[in-house]
Amino acid sequence: TQLLEQSPQFLSIQEGENLTVYCNSSSVFSSLQWYRQEPGEGPVLLVTVVTGGEVKKLKRLTFQFGDARKDSSLHITAAQPGDTGLYLCAGAWSARQLTFGSGTQLTVLP
Amino acid sequence: ETGVTQTPRHLVMGMTNKKSLKCEQHLGHNAMYWYKQSAKKPLELMFVYNFKEQTENNSVPSRFSPECPNSSHLFLHLHTLQPEDSALYLCASSQVSDMGEQYFGPGTRLTVT
Repeated sequence: TQLLEQSPQFLSIQEGENLTVYCNSSSVFSSLQWYRQEPGEGPVLLVTVVTGGEVKKLKRLTFQFGDARKDSSLHITAAQPGDTGLYLCAGAWSARQLTFGSGTQLTVLP
Repeated sequence: ETGVTQTPRHLVMGMTNKKSLKCEQHLGHNAMYWYKQSAKKPLELMFVYNFKEQTENNSVPSRFSPECPNSSHLFLHLHTLQPEDSALYLCASSQVSDMGEQYFGPGTRLTVT
C-alpha cells in the first residue's frame, strides 16, 4: 500500500502570512498532483509535477517536487481568505492507481 | 466548473433502501471514477471505468454496484448499506485512465440511517 502523509493536518493563519504544507511518502511516484477542495465541492486540480526537483508557480502558490520524487511541498505567499480549503496531494505510482493524502485543512482569517 | 455533475447532492437512506447515484461528464473524457471520502480519511478509490469497461474494483463490498452505460455516464447503485457507508461520494473523469489529471464532480453527501 502506497501511503501519503500530509502535514500539518490543520492550519489556521492570518491574512497576509506565508505558509508551507508538506506531502511525504516512502514510495517513489511517477507524478504528483495537488488539489484544493472547498466545502460542498469536489477537489479541483491545481498542478501536476512530474520531474524530480521540479518547481511550478501558480500566482502566489509555489509547488515543489522532491529530487527523489517521494515528497512535495506547497508554499503560499501572502495568504488570502480565498485560499481557505482542504489541500490534497495525490501520487501516481502506476498507471492504475492514484493515492491521495488525508489533506491539510487551511483556514485564512481576515 | 460544471464539467462533471452529480445527482443527487444529498441523500438520506435507510439500510433496507435501494438508491442510485448518478454522474455525468461533459468533457469528452474516456475514464470515470468513483471515490469515497470519509471524515479524516484519505480519498478512497472505489471503481475505475475506461471506455465503459471496469478496470479497477478496489475490494468494494457488493452492496455497491457500479454501472457505466457510456463514457459520459456513471452510476453507483446502492442497496442494504450500513451506517459506516455514510460519506461523500465523488465522481471524477479523466481523458484516459492513466491516473492523469482528474476532474471531480461536487459529490453526493450520503447518510445511511
